[in-house]
Amino acid sequence: AQSVAQPEDQVNVAEGNPLTVKCTYSVSGNPYLFWYVQYPNRGLQFLLKYITGDNLVKGSYGFEAEFNKSQTSFHLKKPSALVSDSALYFCAVRDISDSNYQLIWGAGTKLIIKP
Amino acid sequence: SQTIHQWPATLVQPVGSPLSLECTVEGTSNPNLYWYRQAAGRGLQLLFYSVGIGQISSEVPQNLSASRPQDRQFILSSKKLLLSDSGFYLCAWLGGHGYTFGSGTRLTVV
Repeated sequence: AQSVAQPEDQVNVAEGNPLTVKCTYSVSGNPYLFWYVQYPNRGLQFLLKYITGDNLVKGSYGFEAEFNKSQTSFHLKKPSALVSDSALYFCAVRDISDSNYQLIWGAGTKLIIKP
Repeated sequence: SQTIHQWPATLVQPVGSPLSLECTVEGTSNPNLYWYRQAAGRGLQLLFYSVGIGQISSEVPQNLSASRPQDRQFILSSKKLLLSDSGFYLCAWLGGHGYTFGSGTRLTVV
């Protein structure tokens, strides 16, 4: 069965420090991988995606993620956290063979950046 | 450019009352459209999706229904709301880089 795991319910990071939000996945075929961010009482915003090619993907707001096929992971990273990065982050995966293009969502990780 | 509109932003409804949430997309044709519910500010639950006019797939049997009367319009409805229907409802369409979400509707059933 397809699934996405975000093992950390919450991540706390001091401003200026690097941050990592973890995501692992399980699909039967090749994955498309996504990260979204949600600010309070707002819709989700696209951050970045991995489809194919370079395993290191760069996205919005200075975020990047590395696709690791052997570890089935797609961790979100940023070299220097900002207080404004505090939000809820969702990882999602789609099996490229799924003709309905549905995403499987992780439960979300709350990122708190402390000044 | 493509945009997605969702309204209302907030809604307080009594138990047993009907519901209608509307979502429209601009700048694209024949989009795949989705309704999600987010409970307790966390996980996303796919409720319905539609690949075309009149085509609705339900992911979770419940008190809600969806309709797609026009190519770029997706409506979420209920005949009689339950307390458990409270939550944050998100409409989304599938674009070139994945989903684009509406701004959401906060529904509180009292």
